Order: sequence, then structure tokens, then C-alpha cells
Amino acid sequence: ILNVEQSPQSLHVQEGDSTNFTCSFPSSNFYALHWYRWETAKSPEALFVMTLNGDEKKKGRISATLNTKEGYSYLYIKGSQPEDSATYLCAYDRGSTLGRLYFGRGTQLTVWP
Amino acid sequence: NAGVTQTPKFRVLKTGQSMTLLCAQDMNHEYMYWYRQDPGMGLRLIHYSVGEGTTAKGEVPDGYNVSRLKKQNFLLGLESAAPSQTSVYFCASSSRQSNQPQHFGDGTRLSIL
Repeated sequence: ILNVEQSPQSLHVQEGDSTNFTCSFPSSNFYALHWYRWETAKSPEALFVMTLNGDEKKKGRISATLNTKEGYSYLYIKGSQPEDSATYLCAYDRGSTLGRLYFGRGTQLTVWP
Repeated sequence: NAGVTQTPKFRVLKTGQSMTLLCAQDMNHEYMYWYRQDPGMGLRLIHYSVGEGTTAKGEVPDGYNVSRLKKQNFLLGLESAAPSQTSVYFCASSSRQSNQPQHFGDGTRLSIL
């Protein structure tokens, strides 16, 4: 069983706060790390696909970093807004299984106005 | 832009009944996946397909069968439904090109009584 761990499991912040959460994955056989945003009653939507150690990606107020040597990725949200409330999933691709991803259980973010 | 379409959106079955969930994608993707989502468990892969006529088992394949007779369609079958199969089912597809995200359907909520 391949472990992809996300922490914290849930997070409640006030509007305007900046926040971050962690995804841990096996550092061996790394190919790519995906981040998805999943709003309630909708389907997961891709945020980033990251492949290189030290990679940083940014999309608006959301950014992510990647450390493949130690097996972790951080997702940051700057100045959280209520519309950022969602579950954020990371998924590990070890490259040998033809697109198969191993998902973490997600971090559920609630942003209060 | 339809993307990934799942039918039906909701279904209630009695134990022992059979049914088929349909996933259709219009992005010419080679890879397709079926997941189930249960509270506290994240997304778990049931079966996946890397091309027309090919399928493979995922993490939780027992009690399910799949078929990929056409590139754009991926069917998930329950031959004899059990209450443990009550879940939300998501279909996804992705390109064979490296480091491409998965695109998800809106989900099928299935209840087995």
C-alpha cells in the first residue's frame, strides 16, 4: 500500500488569513505530484501538476512547492476568501502505472467571512 | 464543453440488483478511471483503463466489473449490489501525455438498501 498523507485533515480560518497545508509522499520512484481543488457537490478540479524538485507553481492566490528528495509538497493560500472553502487533494504519480494516481485523503478548508 | 459525463447522477438499488454506470468523455483521452469516495477515505481507485479494450484492477476492485469497448466510454458494473457499495462514484480521464491532470465527472451517488 502506497501512503500519501495530508495534514491537517481540516482547517478553519478567517477571511484574509493566509494558510498552508502539507502533502507527504514516498520519495522513491517519484514522477509527479498533483494538487486538486474539490468543492462540495462538485467534481475535483486540477490546480497543479508538479514534477521537478524545488518546483514552485502559482495560480492567483494559491501556490505550491515541491521537495521530491524528502517527499513533501506544500500548498499555500494567501489572503483566504470564503470561495476558497473546499477540500484540497494531493495525488502521487510514481510513473510506472500509466497515469494511475495515489490520492491523499485531503485537507478540508473552511474560510469564515 | 461536456468533458466527462456520468450517468446516472443518482440511483437507489436493492441488495442483489445489478446496474451499470456509464462514463463518457469527449476529450479523446486514452486513460480512464473509476473511483469511489467514502467519508474519511478519500478517492479510492476501483478499475482503470489505458486504452480501448484494456482494463486493470485498482485498489478496491472486488464486486465490480468494467468494460472499455469504445475509447470514449468506460462502464462500471455491479453484478450483485451490496450495502457496502453505497458510495459516490467518480469517473475521470486523462491524456497519455506526460504530467497531465485527470479530468473528473460530476459523480454518481449510489445507495444500496
